[in-house]
Amino acid sequence: GQSLEQPSEVTAVEGAIVQINCTYQTSGFYGLSWYQQHDGGAPTFLSYNALDGLEETGRFSSFLSRSDSYGYLLLQELQMKDSASYFCAVRDGSGTYKYIFGTGTRLKVLA
Amino acid sequence: EAGVTQFPSHSVIEKGQTVTLRCDPISGHDNLYWYRRVMGKEIKFLLHFVKESKQDESGMPNNRFLAERTGGTYSTLKVQPAELEDSGVYFCASSHPGTGIIKQYFGPGTRLTVT
Repeated sequence: GQSLEQPSEVTAVEGAIVQINCTYQTSGFYGLSWYQQHDGGAPTFLSYNALDGLEETGRFSSFLSRSDSYGYLLLQELQMKDSASYFCAVRDGSGTYKYIFGTGTRLKVLA
Repeated sequence: EAGVTQFPSHSVIEKGQTVTLRCDPISGHDNLYWYRRVMGKEIKFLLHFVKESKQDESGMPNNRFLAERTGGTYSTLKVQPAELEDSGVYFCASSHPGTGIIKQYFGPGTRLTVT
């Protein structure tokens, strides 16, 4: 089957750097996406990696290693507003247009 | 541009009743997806429309769930009759034909509670 694994919870302090890991198991691979969801809010697209390496967007960066079936989201200069759930997602390997999401990592940023 | 909207934001119904959820995607987005998240678990795919056509409904739990997208604009998801295990947050998402699955815009969700 296809699955993604993420830590359930991560805690860090304001100003720190935190890394949220995601390992995936899929029959085919088309790229790894990351979404942020605040409590009660809509999941919001953060980044997408189709190729190996690091993609940087402001304080957030996302990394992919296809050979290791592994990626991570790196959040720098943490702010209280970064407290949210973060989901990694891959496209279903059968070629359909559906996302398989991880269970999400709840990030708590402490003052 | 206006985002994806969903109605209602919350719905509490009794087991055996019927509920219809509505989603209005971003104008011009041909792709429309329905997802469900149950009590802190992963966000699970339900189905995918391209315009008014169902492309993939492999995630629909059973025949108590019916999704429609008449005219290729808004979509409805009907649950009839509702069961306790249907409780959760139902998300709708849409995407532009160009970005396809990569960047999806999610609505705020409908929290469904079946008692």
